Amino acid sequence: DVKVTQSSRYLVKRTGEKVFLECVQDMDHENMFWYRQDPGLGLRLIYFSYDVKMKEKGDIPEGYSVSREKKERFSLILESASTNQTSMYLCASQKGTEAFFGQGTRLTVV
Amino acid sequence: GDSVTQMEGPVTLSEEAFLTINCTYTATGYPSLFWYVQYPGEGLQLLLKATKADDKGSNKGFEATYRKETTSFHLEKGSVQVSDSAVYFCALRHTGNQFYFGTGTSLTVIP
Repeated sequence: DVKVTQSSRYLVKRTGEKVFLECVQDMDHENMFWYRQDPGLGLRLIYFSYDVKMKEKGDIPEGYSVSREKKERFSLILESASTNQTSMYLCASQKGTEAFFGQGTRLTVV
Repeated sequence: GDSVTQMEGPVTLSEEAFLTINCTYTATGYPSLFWYVQYPGEGLQLLLKATKADDKGSNKGFEATYRKETTSFHLEKGSVQVSDSAVYFCALRHTGNQFYFGTGTSLTVIP
């Protein structure tokens, strides 16, 4: 089975902190994605990556950056966390027609 | 651009009731269509998919048929169970590799 693992289930950070969310997949997939999930808004794409060191902006990249130094790892970075970034963050990897999701990280910025 | 619209929730049904969750899409050409399910506290899991017009995806008693003429992919189940309580997302994947998701429909099944 494909496994996508996010490093934390729950995080609480202070406003202004730099926050790293880590995601690792074990199936050698080229494509990886970061989404945020908010009530009534569904999933919105933040960034995605087609290969190592490649990244593309999604629909809501402002306030975020990403890093893909190794194929299996895709990191989401909040440069200076703000309260409006409190959300559920979902990582996914994809090959062929199916996307596989991690269990999510619920981030609270106080 | 590509988009997915699914029915607003929440939906509450009694056990063994019939379920329909409507989903329509906007896209040029022939996207692949998906239903994902999110159980409480978990990430999304693929429930079923269809990759071309008139295909029917099915899994765990759920079904959805890719209707090109109505640009729809409605999710149905004949008899829901308490364990089906979850949030259901309709999605499409078209040119490139990006997925587009609906806003999700929360389903609660009561005994």
